[in-house]
Amino acid sequence: DTGVSQDPRHKITKRGQNVTFRCDPISEHNRLYWYRQTLGQGPEFLTYFQNEAQLEKSRLLSDRFSAERPKGSFSTLEIQRTEQGDSAMYLCASSSTFFGTGQLSSYNEQFFGPGTRLTVL
Amino acid sequence: DAKTTQPPSMDCAEGRAANLPCNHSTISGNEYVYWYRQIHSQGPQYIIHGLKNNETNEMASLIITEDRKSSTLILPHATLRDTAVYYCIVRVLNYGGATNKLIFGTGTLLAVQP
Repeated sequence: DTGVSQDPRHKITKRGQNVTFRCDPISEHNRLYWYRQTLGQGPEFLTYFQNEAQLEKSRLLSDRFSAERPKGSFSTLEIQRTEQGDSAMYLCASSSTFFGTGQLSSYNEQFFGPGTRLTVL
Repeated sequence: DAKTTQPPSMDCAEGRAANLPCNHSTISGNEYVYWYRQIHSQGPQYIIHGLKNNETNEMASLIITEDRKSSTLILPHATLRDTAVYYCIVRVLNYGGATNKLIFGTGTLLAVQP
């Protein structure tokens, strides 16, 4: 399977603990996104990387959240001192701005992973 | 990005066409209409997109009105596996380093009935 993968799929933690999630994008994709989704709502944008550079962060990404993409491949999202309000599905997506010929993608379709469901007790 | 309005839920009989409407009355000339769907407990999946012409692919058809203020996603022969939340999103396509993030609303829950 060459799609986007996320690990773990489920995480239960106690309030105040730190958690880290991993996302492995489609291998040739240079863009990676993190979204958060709470029950009954659509996904909300958190942050975006182009290669290893973090180019945009949402105001939703408080200082307890940090994301990295150290070599422009996989990414990690860490939440420190978790709170019950952090309980949500965390989704990763990747996309490419290039076709195989080096031409810019005309629509930059985002491919989503299955998500990591976080429950903070 | 412009906001969209979708009905919260719709039903459709299996084998019939499902027509999902979306209003985007404030859409700008350079904004595309995108549709994604999210099956329960999975990540969203791209379906189709268009600017002003009608579009068709193996999954669905997209009909955009001439004034571009609304659109309809058509699933020609709905199956039980099409039961999902369908999101209509309008966005500008940005080149270079700009984000191209997706801004989701609450979507339409399509329930395909046997």
